[in-house]
Amino acid sequence: GAVVSQHPSRVICKSGTSVKIECRSLDFQATTMFWYRQFPKQSLMLMATSNEGSKATYEQGVEKDKFLINHASLTLSTLTVTSAHPEDSSFYICSARPGGLPTYEQYFGPGTRLTVT
Amino acid sequence: GDSVTQMEGPVTLSEEAFLTINCTYTATGYPSLFWYVQYPGEGLQLLLKATKADDKGSNKGFEATYRKETTSFHLEKGSVQVSDSAVYFCALSLTNTGNQFYFGTGTSLTVIP
Repeated sequence: GAVVSQHPSRVICKSGTSVKIECRSLDFQATTMFWYRQFPKQSLMLMATSNEGSKATYEQGVEKDKFLINHASLTLSTLTVTSAHPEDSSFYICSARPGGLPTYEQYFGPGTRLTVT
Repeated sequence: GDSVTQMEGPVTLSEEAFLTINCTYTATGYPSLFWYVQYPGEGLQLLLKATKADDKGSNKGFEATYRKETTSFHLEKGSVQVSDSAVYFCALSLTNTGNQFYFGTGTSLTVIP
């Protein structure tokens, strides 16, 4: 149980285009979903927190107009990287938390490798 | 600021060898500490946790003790197996930052038969 999937697992796009990454909780309802990014040899950095039906809360330094997050249902959140540039190339990881549980009860997706050429 | 530093990898060990992965932290408050494991092609999974000083977290033969005096949370296992090959992440969470997680950079472990 408690499986989180991400799609796609890898994506290559051209500079200036937009890319959408999906995060799904397969066997539970996720009240809260988190989006992280990880650069090579660096830590996972929290980008934003989204609660179903509400606007996402972005961490300091994360451009909300560039990284659009939608959490329209209890099992799906999407991250859209708009007008992607090579510096957006990174590993994006989502996690999901069932309602009422502590933050550390997060279930992570396998990640999406984005390469912008 | 709040952060986690863990030893760089990769680490390669023979089966049944003793494992230590060092992790130290810096925190302004009283953090909870965690080890996550990521097996190839899978998402991060919580391996163990400790929520206060001197607590010992344990799971699947892995152990880590929350040492406030040395601000450390080193991961240990007495006898590793090939199936333990994965990337291990140390992390902390602080209630005064809304339980935001701060992760280390991850340590890749390969266990050879």
